[in-house]
Amino acid sequence: EVQLVESGGGLVKPGGSLRLSCAASGFTFSSYSMNWVRQAPGKGLEWVSSISSTSSQIHHADPVKGRFTISRDNAKNSLYLQMNSLRAEDTAVYYCARSPTSVTGSYRDYWGQGTLVTVSS
Amino acid sequence: DIQMTQSPSTLSASVGDRVTITCRASRSVSTWLAWYQQKPGKAPKVVIYDASNLQSGVPSRFSGSGSGTEFTLTISSLQPDDFATYYCQQYNSYSTFGRGTKVEIK
Repeated sequence: EVQLVESGGGLVKPGGSLRLSCAASGFTFSSYSMNWVRQAPGKGLEWVSSISSTSSQIHHADPVKGRFTISRDNAKNSLYLQMNSLRAEDTAVYYCARSPTSVTGSYRDYWGQGTLVTVSS
Repeated sequence: DIQMTQSPSTLSASVGDRVTITCRASRSVSTWLAWYQQKPGKAPKVVIYDASNLQSGVPSRFSGSGSGTEFTLTISSLQPDDFATYYCQQYNSYSTFGRGTKVEIK
């Protein structure tokens, strides 16, 4: 069974940093591209970042470019999102999601349960 | 950036109704479009991918159609479990989600 479990969310002050993690199991992690998608309270879904299976392709959405960095460790079956210079508008539930391809640019076939990031003073 | 416009934003329907949701792209995305269902407090679940392919395990009352800039998600006979919010997503150029359509009980 495919499982994605996010962790690392919490309350952080504006300008602060946070590192999210996503532990994957039930599939060959190194064969699939991975993504972060967020959802602000009461709002819709917003793509954040994507990374290919070998980390050769990395993409970030414009609102987070230069502040967030997606990475992965295939030996540890883990996906990460390093978030710096956090702003109030980054407050959201952050979902880790798998794509059914090794390259970026596909839909998301499995999602984690999400981790809440709150940016507030 | 490709913008995705969904309509309607809210849809009131009864069990057994045929329901159609539309998604328009600001420029062609070919058939690189997916539909997701999301219930309150839960992660989204893909129902349709590549515009018209039914995800494994999803009931056949769900169907998708379209290409280029116009797409539809149809539920042929709405069931109690289908009341949820539905999002379209293009993945032709990076990724963009529509703003969602809430299907509520009439």
